Amino acid sequence: QVQLVQSGAEVKKPGSSVRVSCKASGGTLSSYALSWVRQAPGQGLEWMGGIIPFFDTPNYEQKFQGRITITADKSTNTAYMELSSLRFEDTAVYYCARSADSGYDLYWGQGTLVTVSA
Amino acid sequence: DIQLTQSPSFLSASVGDRVTITCRASQDINSYLAWYQQIPGKAPKLLIYSASTLQSGVPSRFSGGGSGTEFTLTISSLQPEDFASYHCQQLNSYPYTFGQGTRLDIK
Repeated sequence: QVQLVQSGAEVKKPGSSVRVSCKASGGTLSSYALSWVRQAPGQGLEWMGGIIPFFDTPNYEQKFQGRITITADKSTNTAYMELSSLRFEDTAVYYCARSADSGYDLYWGQGTLVTVSA
Repeated sequence: DIQLTQSPSFLSASVGDRVTITCRASQDINSYLAWYQQIPGKAPKLLIYSASTLQSGVPSRFSGGGSGTEFTLTISSLQPEDFASYHCQQLNSYPYTFGQGTRLDIK
C-alpha cells in the first residue's frame, strides 16, 4: 500500500521560503503524477502544481509562477515543494498527492501546516 | 483556466436522505472529473473518478454522473459517516482546478 509521509509543521516569516517534503513508501513516485494541493483555513482545495518524476518537468498554477519549485528525487522516492516570498495568505495546510493507475490522486500525504507569521 | 462551480455550497440533510451535489465546468472537460470526500482535519479521499467510476472500496451508495460541463455526485442514503465536505476536481487540462467545495451537515 502506497503511503506518503510529509515533513512537519513550519512557522515562517513573511518574505521567507519554505520547503515541504513528501516521501513515498510501498510504491514508486517515478512514473506517476505527484501533485501539491493546499487548503487555507476554512477554505477549499487549491491545486498548486505537479510533476511526473520520470519526465522531471513540473507544471505550475499560474498564480504561483516565479514563487514555486516542485522537484522529485527518484533515488529517495521523495518529492519537494518550495514556496518563496511567503505572504500571510500562504498560511495553509499543504498536501502532496500521488496518482493511481487511473491518473487520479488516490494517495495523499497527511498534510503539512505552514503558518506565515511576523 | 477552467472554473468549476459546485452547488450548493452548504447542504443540510438527515440520515437516510438522498442528496445530489452538482459541479459545473466553465468549458467542456469530457469526463475528466473526480469527486473527493474530506473530513475536517484529514486529507481528501478519492470517491469517484472519470466522472462515474467508483473508486475501489467506496460504498455503492455513492455514484457520479455527467460529462462535458455538468456533473453530479449522488449519495443514495446518507449514513452518519457521510457528513463531510465534498470537492470536485477537473483533470482535463492544467491547472487541475477544484470546485469551491460543498459542506454536508446533519439536519
